[in-house]
Amino acid sequence: ETGVTQSPTHLIKTRGQQVTLRCSSQSGHNTVSWYQQALGQGPQFIFQYYREEENGRGNFPPRFSGLQFPNYSSELNVNALELDDSALYLCASSGWGSPNEKLFFGSGTQLSVL
Amino acid sequence: RKEVEQDPGPFNVPEGATVAFNCTYSNSASQSFFWYRQDCRKEPKLLMSVYSSGNEDGRFTAQLNRASQYISLLIRDSKLSDSATYLCVVSPGGYNKLIFGAGTRLAVHP
Repeated sequence: ETGVTQSPTHLIKTRGQQVTLRCSSQSGHNTVSWYQQALGQGPQFIFQYYREEENGRGNFPPRFSGLQFPNYSSELNVNALELDDSALYLCASSGWGSPNEKLFFGSGTQLSVL
Repeated sequence: RKEVEQDPGPFNVPEGATVAFNCTYSNSASQSFFWYRQDCRKEPKLLMSVYSSGNEDGRFTAQLNRASQYISLLIRDSKLSDSATYLCVVSPGGYNKLIFGAGTRLAVHP
């Protein structure tokens, strides 16, 4: 509906493993942000990518890393998974400098860490 | 202290009721303010932006008080379809970083 697609929709991993989540931004959008939403909480900003570089980061450890590709799609990588990493991971895209009203979220990846 | 605080609810109201949600934020330099709606474990969707002058969109009215760092949302004539979690959101400006409250859950019953 928003044109932002995320994959996979659901994922189960075990503690200590690594995971890669993917996001395709809406056509024409060159900025991608990632958010983590734990159960019962609001989404928390992880980081943002613009022109393939990280542009702003929230309070997340270095084992959370990302990439943005020339086509503006993005990946979120999490190493050494912990139980507390279980959450809904949301990707949002926008054009650079767009007002916040023009931020579009994907439907998310539900990650469960056992 | 959390940057954005909301009453978690739940608010259980009958159809047709008027319900009000409140939110406070800690960063006085915040630039933009929003209410988002989120259905169960789906993506948040923008409900409305909030302006100092107050703004209305149909049954929804939002107010911002910068001096008190307080944001409100009023829903009139509640519908069953209004049942959702309402997220208060603040942006500090600059790049598009959004700071979300934990959300207030609304359940509208027949």
